[in-house]
Amino acid sequence: NAGVTQTPKFQVLKTGQSMTLQCAQDMNHEYMSWYRQDPGMGLRLIHYSVGAGITDQGEVPNGYNVSRSTTEDFPLRLLSAAPSQTSVYFCASSYSQGIDGNTIYFGEGSWLTVV
Amino acid sequence: QKEVEQDPGPLSVPEGAIVSLNCTYSNSAFQYFMWYRQYSRKGPELLMYTYSSGNKEDGRFTAQVDKSSKYISLFIRDSQPSDSATYLCAIRPSGGGADGLTFGKGTHLIIQP
Repeated sequence: NAGVTQTPKFQVLKTGQSMTLQCAQDMNHEYMSWYRQDPGMGLRLIHYSVGAGITDQGEVPNGYNVSRSTTEDFPLRLLSAAPSQTSVYFCASSYSQGIDGNTIYFGEGSWLTVV
Repeated sequence: QKEVEQDPGPLSVPEGAIVSLNCTYSNSAFQYFMWYRQYSRKGPELLMYTYSSGNKEDGRFTAQVDKSSKYISLFIRDSQPSDSATYLCAIRPSGGGADGLTFGKGTHLIIQP
């Protein structure tokens, strides 16, 4: 049982390049989310999904795209990287209902630098 | 006004001290209150959660919620250097799912040996 797995852990991009951050979970969770964490700003929700084929925007969605074709995977795409997207990105997952829905599992993080 | 306010610290205390970490929130609709611990260069991990007002204890950790004051606290007894981390409070209006979660900015805690 690996939990939430994110790749890559570190990435340097040039302005204007595109890339995809991968996220996979093996706990059969309905909910998956992407957050970014910046100094002084805390964790901010980018996009989330309540199940395969269903996604929605969070607090800071601009410049990012997501899809959810399977329950296990929730990739985050940076369409045209900008220096403002330099951040640490966390993928998270949880069950959808009940007390178990309060336990949210985070990945180890992906450190992205845009130069 | 942010929905959740949390002092970023850093908070530095000697080993063995009692630590008090706090958050205030503005929306009375929030019902679930959680504390996450985040070690350097790691993802947050759930430490405790509570529902409604009152106390919940787990080993050296006690979570306290005062809904009338919109104030939540995490107490750490007999603090250890391994407790050094960033502690984030998180709240949500109803159970289930990661999308409705609102995080505080986190308090950086340093336990001095």
